[in-house]
Amino acid sequence: AIQMTQSPSSLSASVGDRVTITCRASQGIRNDLDWYQHKPGKAPKLLIYAASSLQSGVPSRFSGSGSGTDFTLTINSLQPEDFATYYCLQNYIYPWTFGQGTKVEIK
Amino acid sequence: EVQLVESGGGLIQPGESLRLSCAASDVTVSDNYMSWVRQAPGKGLEWVSVIYSGGSTYYADSVKGRFTFSRDNSKNMLYLQMNSLRSEDTAVYYCTTLGSGDYWGQGTLVTVSS
Repeated sequence: AIQMTQSPSSLSASVGDRVTITCRASQGIRNDLDWYQHKPGKAPKLLIYAASSLQSGVPSRFSGSGSGTDFTLTINSLQPEDFATYYCLQNYIYPWTFGQGTKVEIK
Repeated sequence: EVQLVESGGGLIQPGESLRLSCAASDVTVSDNYMSWVRQAPGKGLEWVSVIYSGGSTYYADSVKGRFTFSRDNSKNMLYLQMNSLRSEDTAVYYCTTLGSGDYWGQGTLVTVSS
């Protein structure tokens, strides 16, 4: 199975900061990568699909980039509602695999 | 409005079986690929299984041979039959249109413990 390695596993940031989360695949996955936001007690929410396409309704401060093995999720001007855990998901080949998550906490 | 409602979770002993259900509305399960995703307590998200519109299924290595994903098109229902349950299967299980839209149920908790 393809392993997805996210970094960092957690970070502390302030409102207004720019945050970058990376995800590395153990083998090439083209651009078959999505990013999800997950808050406790709620269902996960799709932010970015196909590595760089913004899901409808998601604020433009979220952006994604990358292809092959290295991917990045960027949050420009972090907002209070952005404090959550973020996951990448490869849907290139089965079994699909999530990264281990990055928890974004308030500094 | 699309709704996915899971049911069937509960406390079960290791080695036993349990069947989860997912009732879908405003989305036709036979026209989409539908997945189960789980989250163990204090852990991250784990993709479990998918069923394609054509009926093909795929599974995570951790559940292959023990879990079976099926659907009833006439009832617009999905099912996850879980056999030989282990303590590490303890998790909230979500039914979702993962990869085919962004709709999720509220999740159902499965606790495997003696």
